[in-house]
Amino acid sequence: ETGVTQTPRHLVMGMTNKKSLKCEQHLGHNAMYWYKQSAKKPLELMFVYNFKEQTENNSVPSRFSPECPNSSHLFLHLHTLQPEDSALYLCASSQVARLAGEVNEQFFGPGTRLTVL
Amino acid sequence: GNSVTQMEGPVTLSEEAFLTINCTYTATGYPSLFWYVQYPGEGLQLLLKATKADDKGSNKGFEATYRKETTSFHLEKGSVQVSDSAVYFCALNDMRFGAGTRLTVKP
Repeated sequence: ETGVTQTPRHLVMGMTNKKSLKCEQHLGHNAMYWYKQSAKKPLELMFVYNFKEQTENNSVPSRFSPECPNSSHLFLHLHTLQPEDSALYLCASSQVARLAGEVNEQFFGPGTRLTVL
Repeated sequence: GNSVTQMEGPVTLSEEAFLTINCTYTATGYPSLFWYVQYPGEGLQLLLKATKADDKGSNKGFEATYRKETTSFHLEKGSVQVSDSAVYFCALNDMRFGAGTRLTVKP
């Protein structure tokens, strides 16, 4: 138990569906992240939120839409996905020093296994 | 820009064998360095870290030393167990991860 929970753990959706992934952290951290983990590819950082503000968007297609309503919750809204979007989506949180921007260790949730049909 | 290069797997060892997983990095300044481990069906969890040159991180029998002169942070364990079977990731403190190395330990 890392203090970061993700729901659902598994999701199967069609290309025309709209769904959302949820992440919650109980650690009092000020930064949250979405990563995509595909087979045989490095871990891909998708989005970063520091103090509820999005600070990084690594060329992620607009069919992925993040939302961070407060420092404890992070969502990833999905619509009109493609089969190649099937992957494990990992959420993480950490405590970031505001001025230095240095990231301390990240705490990861168990991930949502997404399958797009 | 910053980057992490990790030895490719998979690595298969017998129980009690010695383990080394190589990791080198390119970065400006002196970043903190991390090793994370991912067990089957789980997210990543921190295994060990080092925050400055010559620091040695250690946990659960694993060790890694921050070598500034060779920009390396190799992971080692003297005697692996079946329960160490997992994927191991080297990372910088700017959220960049290596590609991961899958370790399988056979009894």
